[in-house]
Amino acid sequence: QVQLQQSGPGLVKPSQTLSLTCVISGDSVSSSSATWNWLRQSPSRGLEWLGRTYYRSKWYNDYAVSVKSRVTINPDTSKNHFSLQLSSVTPEDTAVYYCARAGAYSSTWPFDYWGQGTLVTVSS
Amino acid sequence: DIQMTQSPSSLSASVGDRVTITCRASQSISNYLNWYQQKPGKVPKFLIYAASSLQSGVPSRFSGSGSGTDFSLTISSLQPEDFATYYCQQTYTTPNTFGQGTKLEIK
Repeated sequence: QVQLQQSGPGLVKPSQTLSLTCVISGDSVSSSSATWNWLRQSPSRGLEWLGRTYYRSKWYNDYAVSVKSRVTINPDTSKNHFSLQLSSVTPEDTAVYYCARAGAYSSTWPFDYWGQGTLVTVSS
Repeated sequence: DIQMTQSPSSLSASVGDRVTITCRASQSISNYLNWYQQKPGKVPKFLIYAASSLQSGVPSRFSGSGSGTDFSLTISSLQPEDFATYYCQQTYTTPNTFGQGTKLEIK
């Protein structure tokens, strides 16, 4: 059974960097049959995909254009986790942040396992 | 980005009713369409992948159909635990985009 456990602060000051970690159990961040994703959810933006990291003989990253200049997602194979960093945050980045695994179901890659969610508030 | 539009945005129904939620993509996505259920304060739960394949453990009263740009999620006989918000998602290309959600409420 795959489990994803998120950790990180729930309050970040404007202009600072939001940092979250997602620890994986029951799978490997280096798995060739998964991708590892970060999303967020807010009343104004709905469910928004932020980016992903995955390994296919080498590491790849994809990011949403809306955050591409501010976001970094990194895998850590020694700790079997992946992290999100979002820089220069503003109150508009206030949301519940989720990590999620996308699995290979008939090649459609749904998000089958999710972290518990972290409410991140951007406020001074 | 591919836009996903769900209708209706909200729906009132009774236990035992048959309900259908639709999802339209702004361009063809073949069958790269997934459905999720989310209850208040909870994590989204994966229900259906590839437009019509039920995830293991999901009750058979849930079904999905469609391809190309038009898709639907049907619940054949609503149960009390089905009242929630439902989201469609395309994984045809990144960014993987979601619909705005359909809130299913008890009449």
